[in-house]
Amino acid sequence: QVQLVQSGAEVEKPGASVKVSCKTSGYTFTTYAMHWVRQAPGQRLEWLGWINAANGNTKYSQKLQGRFTITTDTSATIVYMELSSLKSEDTAIYYCARERSISGDSCYSHWGQGTLVTVSS
Amino acid sequence: EIVLTQSPGTLSLSPGERATLSCRASQSVASKYLAWYQQKPGQAPTLLFYGASSRATGIPDRFSGSGSGTEFTLTISRLEPEDFAVYYCHQHDNSPRTFGQGTKVEIE
Repeated sequence: QVQLVQSGAEVEKPGASVKVSCKTSGYTFTTYAMHWVRQAPGQRLEWLGWINAANGNTKYSQKLQGRFTITTDTSATIVYMELSSLKSEDTAIYYCARERSISGDSCYSHWGQGTLVTVSS
Repeated sequence: EIVLTQSPGTLSLSPGERATLSCRASQSVASKYLAWYQQKPGQAPTLLFYGASSRATGIPDRFSGSGSGTEFTLTISRLEPEDFAVYYCHQHDNSPRTFGQGTKVEIE
């Protein structure tokens, strides 16, 4: 079955960077797009960006202003997200989420368990 | 950016009652690009509906989804204890993808 297993919680200082991994299994890695979504305390879910796992093409939320990067390790079937110049408002649970279909424009049928990133001095 | 507004914010009901949740979009969303998720405390969201009205795998038929354009509805015909959770609508028609703020269905 499809599984997305994320790395553990992180605590970082303002201005630092954080990298979170999402290890996938149970499907052909390059067939489906992967997205990252975050949920800050008391806030709605927020889309951050996505990667075409077949060719590495990415698209990011403009709100993150170039601080956010998604990469893949195809041989290890892992997707990474990295957020730099961390601010306190980046404190949130970060989820990887796989699209439901191979169309590249579908909703999310599978989610990672979430990774809490806390930004605090 | 398409803003999704869900109502009510909280729905207090008893098991066995009917729940009707609304999702209104700030501009038209093609039905095929509207999804609903359920989220329980401490868990990731799970997909309930895609294409506004197509149930995801394993979703019981007491759940139904409907709507078009700017108005979408999620209905739970008879609430079971496991249905008390937060529900989010999600549009993936336009970039950036966006979510509603959620409706909490709580036990009265």
